Amino acid sequence: GESVGLHLPTLSVQEGDNSIINCAYSNSASDYFIWYKQESGKGPQFIIDIRSNMDKRQGQRVTVLLNKTVKHLSLQIAATQPGDSAVYFCAESNTGRRALTFGSGTRLQVQP
Amino acid sequence: DSGVTQTPKHLITATGQRVTLRCSPRSGDLSVYWYQQSLDQGLQFLIQYYNGEERAKGNILERFSAQQFPDLHSELNLSSLELGDSALYFCASSVAGSGIDNEQFFGPGTRLTVL
Repeated sequence: GESVGLHLPTLSVQEGDNSIINCAYSNSASDYFIWYKQESGKGPQFIIDIRSNMDKRQGQRVTVLLNKTVKHLSLQIAATQPGDSAVYFCAESNTGRRALTFGSGTRLQVQP
Repeated sequence: DSGVTQTPKHLITATGQRVTLRCSPRSGDLSVYWYQQSLDQGLQFLIQYYNGEERAKGNILERFSAQQFPDLHSELNLSSLELGDSALYFCASSVAGSGIDNEQFFGPGTRLTVL
């Protein structure tokens, strides 16, 4: 189940640094946003979500920021670890339509 | 482990053939979603079932069909296969069919190769 060889933008960071992955969405009706992590050989794994009535939500080592004005979503990973290396996808949906629309993904490479 | 299972893990077949992919959702989840992940299209939503009934349709070709059975497992049928159908096919499940905070859990996927 690895991410097929998509030509993805790549973010390369040093272990211990903070990572910021960005995502732009286009649907103004979207009210629910999720970040997924996809490691090689696996399906997408839920990281964190946020509703449109919030602009920030924090989890364990991760923070999602939502800017509805410019339709922008970001995922911040604190103290990035080698195990964070993966492809990260943002996804959006709305209350009436639970199917997710995925962004194109960003490959995160953590250098030891 | 998400709790969602998919079989088979790999499938190799020829153009024109028909295959069936199977998905078992997490225990208690009523909704099943199918997604296709291809080289040039990323993750694309195909179809959703909720408690046995079709709930939403995405970019699913007419050659493809799906169903959800009374025990809530789902099958995705792909027929008259073309080279371009080669992709990873993911199943996801969630508790409900709509509403907010309805996290989807993904299975490990089936890699389909059409030769």
